[in-house]
Amino acid sequence: EIVMTQSPATLSVSPGERATLSCRASQTVNSNLAWFQQKPGLAPRLLIYGASTRATGIPARFSGSGSGTEFTLTISSLQSEDVAVYYCQQYNYWPPLTFGGGTKVEIK
Amino acid sequence: EVQLGESGGGLVKPGGSLRLSCTASGFTFSNHNMNWVRQAPGKGLEWVSSISSSSTYIFYADSVKGRFTISRDNAKNSLYLQMNSLRAEDTAVYYCASSVIAAPSIDYWGQGTLVTVSS
Repeated sequence: EIVMTQSPATLSVSPGERATLSCRASQTVNSNLAWFQQKPGLAPRLLIYGASTRATGIPARFSGSGSGTEFTLTISSLQSEDVAVYYCQQYNYWPPLTFGGGTKVEIK
Repeated sequence: EVQLGESGGGLVKPGGSLRLSCTASGFTFSNHNMNWVRQAPGKGLEWVSSISSSSTYIFYADSVKGRFTISRDNAKNSLYLQMNSLRAEDTAVYYCASSVIAAPSIDYWGQGTLVTVSS
């Protein structure tokens, strides 16, 4: 089973500043990596797939990068509506599909 | 617009059973893998099970193998999860999720249905 590790657990960022979230896989997942956003009380929403492709309707301030075992989700200019928990998920080797433990993004 | 709607959650005693349903619209259901993912209160996301478009391939997490059964009815655009021998640790919000954009990755999610296992 591939273990996904996200860091930091909590990220406090001022409005308009950059937020950088990390996700590491225990072995290579190539570019088969997705990012999800989950706001309180709501279902997760797909942000990024294929490590760097934005899903339909996702603002350009969200970008994904990386391949192999190291991945990054960047929010270029944090907005108040971006407060959420962000999860990475690998789909290179499955079953099982595995998620990271999440990074909580809050406003400083 | 892809829409997924779960039903069937509720309170059940340990050892009991429950059947979750998910109705899909906005895409050609019969062409795509479908999944169940759960989230225990205050915890992260856990993949539960996946089923291929024609039910040829079915996979389960080790934590539910032998107790849960995933199935689908393509004529009704519906996905199901039969949960037997339920345990307290199965308490979670259960999400129906599709794999439309970049299978086998999960993409669209339903709103979730809460399953509580407690005496």
